[in-house]
Amino acid sequence: AQSVTQLDSQVPVFEEAPVELRCNYSSSVSVYLFWYVQYPNQGLQLLLKYLSGSTLVKGINGFEAEFNKSQTSFHLRKPSVHISDTAEYFCAVSGGGGQGAQKLVFGQGTRLTINP
Amino acid sequence: NAGVTQTPKFRVLKTGQSMTLLCAQDMNHEYMYWYRQDPGMGLRLIHYSVGEGTTAKGEVPDGYNVSRLKKQNFLLGLESAAPSQTSVYFCASSAPRLAAYEQYFGPGTRLTVT
Repeated sequence: AQSVTQLDSQVPVFEEAPVELRCNYSSSVSVYLFWYVQYPNQGLQLLLKYLSGSTLVKGINGFEAEFNKSQTSFHLRKPSVHISDTAEYFCAVSGGGGQGAQKLVFGQGTRLTINP
Repeated sequence: NAGVTQTPKFRVLKTGQSMTLLCAQDMNHEYMYWYRQDPGMGLRLIHYSVGEGTTAKGEVPDGYNVSRLKKQNFLLGLESAAPSQTSVYFCASSAPRLAAYEQYFGPGTRLTVT
């Protein structure tokens, strides 16, 4: 079974500052990793995903994440945030291949607030 | 191309009442899912379906039933609503062979049970 821990429930940041949202996972099998963003009163939208290959993954809106297998982490970063990045961010994991790959386990979410 | 749509957007029920949430997708996806979102708990999988006519339990299936009679629709039923089912419900779909495990989400249904 997989589990995901997002280490910060809320992260306040000033506009144009860098940000890192932390995510750790546990799994007994190889995993696929995802970051989703949820803007207020909307559904979830995929930011980026790691399936295999390069451990540095680039996504939409200038976000990137690095898969670290030894530390079982998949932290999300952006070098300079904008007011429009204010949202809740979810890290998720799915278990490798087959039908298990389609079942996502989500972290608790991190609310990112950008202050002017 | 509307993607994933959910009906209704909001609903208030009294304890013991029943209702059905409808999810529809126009992307010809094989897999569909129902999640609930509660503060501080992320999204939790209720039920899912890997194809027309098939359903399976997720992490929190108790008190819910589902049906997938058509490939494009996935229904979530509450037979006897309880206050603990107050939540935001999200439907999602995916196409394993096409979109490399990405799930596409609907806008959500906010349900309050009094």
